[in-house]
Parts: sequence; structure tokens; C-alpha cells
Amino acid sequence: DTAVSQTPKYLVTQMGNDKSIKCEQNLGHDTMYWYKQDSKKFLKIMFSYNNKELIINETVPNRFSPKSPDKAHLNLHINSLELGDSAVYFCASSQSRAGAEAFFGQGTRLTVV
Amino acid sequence: SQQGEEDPQALSIQEGENATMNCSYKTSINNLQWYRQNSGRGLVHLILIRSNEREKHSGRLRVTLDTSKKSSSLLITASRAADTASYFCATDNKAAGNKLTFGGGTRVLVKP
Repeated sequence: DTAVSQTPKYLVTQMGNDKSIKCEQNLGHDTMYWYKQDSKKFLKIMFSYNNKELIINETVPNRFSPKSPDKAHLNLHINSLELGDSAVYFCASSQSRAGAEAFFGQGTRLTVV
Repeated sequence: SQQGEEDPQALSIQEGENATMNCSYKTSINNLQWYRQNSGRGLVHLILIRSNEREKHSGRLRVTLDTSKKSSSLLITASRAADTASYFCATDNKAAGNKLTFGGGTRVLVKP
């Protein structure tokens, strides 16, 4: 069973479109994250939710809106996609304590053309 | 520069050799973790070292932590071709809401 699953794995879309990436975890974790990995492999946190509540919101354009319908799901919606949004987006989850191991999904490679 | 910077950025070694990579960070931390990422995959947790620990072992992995220098090292002994991956360190601290902050990673190529 996949612990953290995100869909789709690949997403190619045109500039200006709106798209969503879904994430689900079956680990019973309270905390979920979205990370963005750029072409240089640098991994940057975007959002963190704990029990459906937003606790970390890094400097991310308002076009990015996370939604957590329950603590097992954290979806990412992106409006008006731009070329610079092209990257690999990773969902992750962990227990809500310091030093908790993060479990990552397989990533969604977003290409904006 | 970013919290959690790995050095070197890339490393190429022969199978059987040891691979050493370093991580430097800027703020005080609770813990430091190392993760591995195979090409096209998500990150996988390898090992955690707490701020009051200096060294930790797990199989062929050895991690050190020097809080006075704000640095950590990951040593992979007797490397195998299957160790080819990118390795990331990640730090967390209470001031940042315990979020994990990653660096840019070290890409390791183990040649058979």
C-alpha cells in the first residue's frame, strides 16, 4: 500500500490554465506538506497543514491555494499557471512532533508550456 | 544562502569506495535528518541525529553532527551502484514551527 500518494504523476498544461494536484496519506499523520523542487533539485517548503489547519505558508504566490478536506488529504490548486511554475511538486506527511520523519509522495512533474 | 546546504553538489566514486558529504546550516536546530532521493522518486528518510548527539550509525551509514560549527556529515561506507542517488540534509527548529528545511542535495554517482 502506498503511504503517500499524489496524482497525477505528470502534468503538462498551457500558461494561464488552472490545475490541481491531489495528495492522500494513509499513515494516520496529522501534518501534511507541499514542497516544490526546482530544476536545480533545491527543495523548498510551500505549505504545511496540521489537522486541516494551515500552519506554514511560505512566500508563495496567491495563485497557489492548498485545500485540506480532512487530515488525510491535502490538495494543491494552482490558478493562472506561469512558465516559472514548472517544477516537481512533492506532498509529504509526518507526525506532528519535532524530528518526525517525513514521508514523501512520488512527486508530480508539472510542465507549463 | 539556504538553511541546510550540502557540499559537494556532486560526487562520483567507484563501487566499494566511501562517499562523504557535508551539510551546513545557519540557525539552531532540534534535529538534523538525512534523506535520499532516487531519480524520479520522492525522498526517503535515512537517519536522524538529535542536537545533543554527535555521531550515529545505521548500517553502512555514519552521521556526525557538530553544533558548534553548525555542520553535519554523512558517510556511506563500501558504496554500491544502488547507492547512486541524491542525498539531502534537513533541519528543523521550534522557531520555524518544526518545519523541515532542506538544502540543495549532493548527487552521488557510484560507478560499478
